Parts: sequence; structure tokens; C-alpha cells
Amino acid sequence: TQLLEQSPQFLSIQEGENLTVYCNSSSVFSSLQWYRQEPGEGPVLLVTVVTGGEVKKLKRLTFQFGDARKDSSLHITAAQPGDTGLYLCAGPDTQGGSEKLVFGKGTKLTVNP
Amino acid sequence: DAGITQSPRHKVTETGTPVTLRCHQTENHRYMYWYRQDPGHGLRLIHYSYGVKDTDKGEVSDGYSVSRSKTEDFLLTLESATSSQTSVYFCAISPFGTTNEKLFFGSGTQLSVL
Repeated sequence: TQLLEQSPQFLSIQEGENLTVYCNSSSVFSSLQWYRQEPGEGPVLLVTVVTGGEVKKLKRLTFQFGDARKDSSLHITAAQPGDTGLYLCAGPDTQGGSEKLVFGKGTKLTVNP
Repeated sequence: DAGITQSPRHKVTETGTPVTLRCHQTENHRYMYWYRQDPGHGLRLIHYSYGVKDTDKGEVSDGYSVSRSKTEDFLLTLESATSSQTSVYFCAISPFGTTNEKLFFGSGTQLSVL
């Protein structure tokens, strides 16, 4: 199984600060997805990055896929309390040829007012 | 929002009893998945289905079985529940499989095995 390591595991910041969280692997992924999960709910997809070096923006969130397609980052500008949640990266596990998505353990973000 | 309903939302049971969790979808998606989420482990795949009566194991399938007799329903059964199966269980669906396709998740079932 291809593994995804996320860092930091926990992050607590004040409203208005900027932050970056990371998703790293020793394996090449054809694509990576980022999900946000709020307490008591299932994860919801934010973005999928497909091309090495790709940058996608979603309002104050900027996602980047590494050139070698082994890592990705999520940068949030001027964080707000509504950004609080568990951020998960995920990628298709192609070993064995099955249709499975593997997840990192997530970064739990708390944005304090 | 994708039409996915998990039931029950919460369940408390005793060690050794059988438990069945249900996932119902109204999207007619081919692929359905069961994940468990635990602190320190993240989301781990238990079983998945790629069609009616077509299922396969995930990375943590021991102690679990699944059935899919209709496109819309995917059942997860714990034949004899153990305390290590206390977890939050999520069902997910996908139209074409996971390669570049997103998963739609249900709201989860909190299962406590005492």
C-alpha cells in the first residue's frame, strides 16, 4: 500500500494568520485529493491535483502538487474560524490494480477567533 | 449533497454480539466503500464493492463481512463485535472508482463495543 504522511498532526492558530500543511509520500501518485472534515460529518472534497507542479486556488486556499508527484501542500491565507477542521490528503493506490483511495492521517486545524 | 444515508448514526453494543451497519445511496453509483476512522490511524478501508454482488477486501477486513444485493445498499457486518472495533464507520460512494474521481461520504456511524 502506498503511504501518505501528513504534517503537522495538529495546528492551532489565531484568526488572520497564514499556514501551510503538507502531504508527503515516497511513492508517485497519479493524482492527490484534499478533503476537509468537520466534527460529526464525513470528509468533503476540496480539490484534486493531477499534474506535477500544478497549483489550484480555492478562495483563500492554495493547493500545490509537487513536480515529482510525491507531495502536496495546502496553504491557507488569513485563516478564519470557519476553516477549522481535519484536513486529509488522499491518493489512488494503484499497487495491485484495485480501485482504492488511501488517506493520510490528517492535520487537525483549529483557528481561534 | 450526494444522497448517502448511514444507519444507525450511533450504536452501543456488547462484545460478542453481531452488528450490521447499513449504507443506502440514491445516486446509482457503481462503487461503494466502508472505511473506519480512528485517532492516530486516519481513514482505513475495510471493504469495497464495484457492483452488485462484487466485493473485495481492504486493508483492515479481518472481523468484517459485507454484502451488496442491490445497487443502492451496502451492508457491513461485524459477526462478533470486539472492543477493537469501536470506531467511527464511514460509507463512501463513487461513480467510476477512485482514480481521479472523488468520493462522496456519508455522515458516519459511531459504534461503541463494550
